[in-house]
Amino acid sequence: DIVMTQTPLSLSVTPGQPASISCKSSQSLLHSDGKTYLYWYLQKPGQSPQLLIYEVSSRFSGVPDRFSGSGSGTDFTLKISRVEAEDVGVYYCMQGIHLPPAFGQGTKVEIK
Amino acid sequence: QVQLVQSGAEVKKPGASVKVSCKASGYTFTSYDINWVRQATGQGLEWMGWMNPNSGNTGYAQKFQGRVTMTRNTSISTAYMELSSLRSEDTAVYYCARAPAWEWPIIRLDVWGKGTTVTVSS
Repeated sequence: DIVMTQTPLSLSVTPGQPASISCKSSQSLLHSDGKTYLYWYLQKPGQSPQLLIYEVSSRFSGVPDRFSGSGSGTDFTLKISRVEAEDVGVYYCMQGIHLPPAFGQGTKVEIK
Repeated sequence: QVQLVQSGAEVKKPGASVKVSCKASGYTFTSYDINWVRQATGQGLEWMGWMNPNSGNTGYAQKFQGRVTMTRNTSISTAYMELSSLRSEDTAVYYCARAPAWEWPIIRLDVWGKGTTVTVSS
């Protein structure tokens, strides 16, 4: 099974400052169709996870443009250009190309 | 709007079974697979398996093989996840989430239910 490893596991950010989360997979997530199936989710306190980014860098419907994703193969990054109070929660990366799908351990983002 | 509405919290004794429902609305039920993901308190997300509502085909994570059954009733756009031989370690929030069926075996969980808390305690 694929293992997804996130760093850091927690992050304290001043509002308006940027934040960055890394995610590494134990195998390439590049499909023969040329797409890479890496997703980012945010689980706000007391809520279910919500899809932020799909296929490495595409923002899901309604996701603010301060969120961006990048990377390729096995190394990926989620960036928040200017953190806002509503961005607090746990961020998970997930690979959807190899069964079973696997999530990273999660990165808890809090506001300073 | 697109919604997945899950059944209410359950308390079960060790050895018992639990059946959680997930009612879909706002989209064509048979066009999206239903996946189940669980989360123990303070822990991460664990994928349990998927079901295609059109065919009824299923696939389960090895860890749950033999204990989990995913079914559906297309007439009421509802998916079910039954977990048997419950133990304390199964205490968790269970989420259903949909994934575009036409993308299978790629799994993209784009809409999630609010979760069902299952507590296993003697």
